[in-house]
Amino acid sequence: NAGVTQTPKFQVLKTGQSMTLQCAQDMNHNSMYWYRQDPGMGLRLIYYSASEGTTDKGEVPNGYNVSRLNKREFSLRLESAAPSQTSVYFCASIRTGGYNEQFFGPGTRLTVL
Amino acid sequence: SQKIEQNSEALNIQEGKTATLTCNYTNYSPAYLQWYRQDPGRGPVFLLLIRENEKEKRKERLKVTFDTTLKQSLFHITASQPADSATYLCALTSQAGTALIFGKGTTLSVSS
Repeated sequence: NAGVTQTPKFQVLKTGQSMTLQCAQDMNHNSMYWYRQDPGMGLRLIYYSASEGTTDKGEVPNGYNVSRLNKREFSLRLESAAPSQTSVYFCASIRTGGYNEQFFGPGTRLTVL
Repeated sequence: SQKIEQNSEALNIQEGKTATLTCNYTNYSPAYLQWYRQDPGRGPVFLLLIRENEKEKRKERLKVTFDTTLKQSLFHITASQPADSATYLCALTSQAGTALIFGKGTTLSVSS
């Protein structure tokens, strides 16, 4: 099992450009999450998907959209990137039937110039 | 609103000593609390979970306590090694039960 995979690993954008961060898990987990991690701020939830076909906003959803393409894949889209979105983005999924232990991907380091 | 705090950003100890990290929370009574390890450039990795009716949980050199009266969890690493150097995050489930709220983490450095 690959666990949770994310692409790309690194990305540099100019202000106003758009891009989609991809996430996939092969553990048959129902719930998937997108976080951003900034120095001094910790992990903050952007969006989550409790199950296929549903998505909900987290703590910091502004400027982002998500798509739960199927049970495996959950993508995060930046429609018009801003320097404030420079961050490390992590995707995670929850083990079904557990106590919400999260499995994280390796992260995408995004810089917006 | 729910708040979770890890009381120190950095902790430096010598190899062989016990490292103790603290996690405090307010405005909430979680059913369980989790601890994660994060190495530089990598995603967090789940270590341990402790339920509200458990006072203590152990896994190899790791020990977690949970005091729901003090609203505090302590995370201990005994006989620490340089390989234990990492950032440790505590997390609890949001009141709605839909997501985890993470502390900002404590970076542990173990010197030989």
